[in-house]
Amino acid sequence: ETGVTQSPTHLIKTRGQQVTLRCSSQSGHNTVSWYQQALGQGPQFIFQYYREEENGRGNFPPRFSGLQFPNYSSELNVNALELDDSALYLCASSRGLAGYQVETQYFGPGTRLLVL
Amino acid sequence: GENVEQHPSTLSVQEGDSAVIKCTYSDSASNYFPWYKQELGKRPQLIIDIRSNVGEKKDQRIAVTLNKTAKHFSLHITETQPEDSAVYFCAASIDSGGGADGLTFGKGTHLIIQP
Repeated sequence: ETGVTQSPTHLIKTRGQQVTLRCSSQSGHNTVSWYQQALGQGPQFIFQYYREEENGRGNFPPRFSGLQFPNYSSELNVNALELDDSALYLCASSRGLAGYQVETQYFGPGTRLLVL
Repeated sequence: GENVEQHPSTLSVQEGDSAVIKCTYSDSASNYFPWYKQELGKRPQLIIDIRSNVGEKKDQRIAVTLNKTAKHFSLHITETQPEDSAVYFCAASIDSGGGADGLTFGKGTHLIIQP
């Protein structure tokens, strides 16, 4: 198992509400990436944080936002929840080094979000 | 953006036989190709990865091959065992010089090992 942890494990929200998901990266890692995995699909890249700055973003609207803290843990915030936001949200940490090769990403166990 | 296609969606093999899963990618700038195994209700776990400066990589019963010209890469599992049953995802990433980049995943292959 990796040292990446996520909280909470499960969450139920209603349409229009806001949610915050949390991720603690593996020791020695300074990069956190967030993915959305719908049932029966592969993970889809939401965005990535490197040293507290957003370092890349997938095709997700601005109501998906994030933060990374000085200890490299991270939050994913989703505003104005929609039914289609129901999914498993995965974070992955890696030892990102600016200007060097892509580093291996290690996934956390995920947060399963249900929007009613 | 990058697009990754994965085939087949389901693969059933007899225990002890080999399994092959194939992926194609669209962006010739992609240079990192990991494979993840995801068991039901669990996190994706890296099983092997390959970079574009290498054509083949092997780790015990698992191997990955990369054909940059054709833009496809494959996972080979030999002497399959019941614990190999899971969903396997291929992915591709571009090192844009910013240190790391998001992974683009295929839709997954459900590998079933028949006893």
